[in-house]
Amino acid sequence: GQQVMQIPQYQHVQEGEDFTTYCNSSTTLSNIQWYKQRPGGHPVFLIQLVKSGEVKKQKRLTFQFGEAKKNSSLHITATQTTDVGTYFCAGLGGGTSYGKLTFGQGTILTVHP
Amino acid sequence: DSGVTQTPKHLITATGQRVTLRCSPRSGDLSVYWYQQSLDQGLQFLIQYYNGEERAKGNILERFSAQQFPDLHSELNLSSLELGDSALYFCASSAPGQRAGYTFGSGTRLTVV
Repeated sequence: GQQVMQIPQYQHVQEGEDFTTYCNSSTTLSNIQWYKQRPGGHPVFLIQLVKSGEVKKQKRLTFQFGEAKKNSSLHITATQTTDVGTYFCAGLGGGTSYGKLTFGQGTILTVHP
Repeated sequence: DSGVTQTPKHLITATGQRVTLRCSPRSGDLSVYWYQQSLDQGLQFLIQYYNGEERAKGNILERFSAQQFPDLHSELNLSSLELGDSALYFCASSAPGQRAGYTFGSGTRLTVV
């Protein structure tokens, strides 16, 4: 079945440093979504990427979808302590409108003040 | 409040017992998804319902079952509980006809002792 791998598993940064997490799928994706889960909380939807090579920005966050629609990345510029949490990518299989999302294992981000 | 309601928030029960977790999706959402989150397994897809019908199934154990009722709320039944079933169980919903992000509930933390 479809697998979504995410690296790194953990990332510790000093406040102000940049952070990137990478996501790779074993199959071509229809779209990819990113979620953030704060400690003790539930996953919260951040963004969805649909088009090959798509790049979207949300303030200090930049999301990319690979040309082959099998990989994606999330980059945070100048991290802040409020960025702490687990970032998940989640892929929707090709040709599926109502199918399940397959989540990566997540990257746990710690930001040291 | 995400709009997805899960009850109970916490559940402690003994091995061999049966429990029912309840989820009310966000108003207007027809799809309900159940995910299990444990420390070493990330977010594992269990099952999806769309407008009362089972749409997709993940690696859901035979001891687990679910249903979605006419009012669109869903219940996840876990029976013959084992210590390894201790986890966070999330319900999520999504809007119909769109490849939109999931809205997660705050989860039910199940502890089997």
